[in-house]
Amino acid sequence: DAKTTQPNSMESNEEEPVHLPCNHSTISGTDYIHWYRQLPSQGPEYVIHGLTSNVNNRMASLAIAEDRKSSTLILHRATLRDAAVYYCILRDLRGQLTFGSGTQLTVLP
Amino acid sequence: DGGITQSPKYLFRKEGQNVTLSCEQNLNHDAMYWYRQDPGQGLRLIYYSQIVNDFQKGDIAEGYSVSREKKESFPLTVTSAQKNPTAFYLCASKRLGAGEQYFGPGTRLTVT
Repeated sequence: DAKTTQPNSMESNEEEPVHLPCNHSTISGTDYIHWYRQLPSQGPEYVIHGLTSNVNNRMASLAIAEDRKSSTLILHRATLRDAAVYYCILRDLRGQLTFGSGTQLTVLP
Repeated sequence: DGGITQSPKYLFRKEGQNVTLSCEQNLNHDAMYWYRQDPGQGLRLIYYSQIVNDFQKGDIAEGYSVSREKKESFPLTVTSAQKNPTAFYLCASKRLGAGEQYFGPGTRLTVT
């Protein structure tokens, strides 16, 4: 299974943009890039996903590098409720998600 | 409200006992999944099912069993053969062909 690499932790100030990076140098042409986030003692929550083009939704934006070997999740204005562990995941043709250890985002007031 | 329910939220068992975790969804999703999460780590796939009466092993199926007799239900049994059963267990579902999985709130199992 293709793997992803993320920083263990990041900090952001409230109401500022946050850019969460992810490297996936072994991604295959059919792997989708997914992002989920998880609050303590809760199930993960879907954030966004994409294949090749940049994607926007009400929660975030996903910027995908042209060679698809990296991507960045963008939260346009971080709030305290955005503090969570963010997982960058590659979804294969079977539809399975393989979670890494994610990035712990801390939002400072 | 549509969603996934897992019960109970906390479960305590003695070593050597089998225990069954409940997962129910009313989203009319075809696929359902069980994951295990240990402290500070990501989720690992135990079993998944894409249709009723069919299921597949995930990455860490040893010591677990499942059934899928109804579309909306996918119970997980943690057997006494599972050497380290204490963990946070998460159930998820999704429509076939869709990207995102929807997760339940989880069951925290403690075996002593």
